[in-house]
Amino acid sequence: GNSVTQMEGPVTLSEEAFLTINCTYTATGYPSLFWYVQYPGEGLQLLLKATKADDKGSNKGFEATYRKETTSFHLEKGSVQVSDSAVYFCALRTGFQKLVFGTGTRLLVSP
Amino acid sequence: NAGVMQNPRHLVRRRGQEARLRCSPMKGHSHVYWYRQLPEEGLKFMVYLQKENIIDESGMPKERFSAEFPKEGPSILRIQQVVRGDSAAYFCASSASGTDNEKLFFGSGTQLSVL
Repeated sequence: GNSVTQMEGPVTLSEEAFLTINCTYTATGYPSLFWYVQYPGEGLQLLLKATKADDKGSNKGFEATYRKETTSFHLEKGSVQVSDSAVYFCALRTGFQKLVFGTGTRLLVSP
Repeated sequence: NAGVMQNPRHLVRRRGQEARLRCSPMKGHSHVYWYRQLPEEGLKFMVYLQKENIIDESGMPKERFSAEFPKEGPSILRIQQVVRGDSAAYFCASSASGTDNEKLFFGSGTQLSVL
């Protein structure tokens, strides 16, 4: 079946550190891949997406590249800020507006 | 322009009671999606509704769960005779037209705890 596996959190970093949150997937066909972010007290927001192999999604300094050969979509940011503290969800779309999410990874950034 | 509003934020029920979760989509949105996040798992699709119609309920448990999105008012996810295994975070999302590439907007969720 279709599934998404994310690295467990929390991930604790100091401000300006480099961030990687790993995400791998299992799917039939060629799904679209997404990263969503949930800030405290708010709903999930789309952070970035990629719809085909080798596409790179980017937004707010975050990037992720759709790697078909390794079935991965790792999230990276070169220099994190305290305001990036949130829960990050990797997801794939299997059908019409149906998303399959990972368990989420909590990021804590300290000053 | 308010986002997707879900209430209550937290709901506590005893086993056998009914739970009603409400979702008001963003203004102008007529497509609503419900997702459930069980402890230690990712969000999973439950049901997709358009005004007065259920479009896809392939993720809904066969018993005790129902959803509606009436012409007027919020979408309701109803769980009858709740059991401990229903304890989860329930998220609602909405979109304007329902096309596959359209962005979904999520609410902040309702945390259901069954005692």
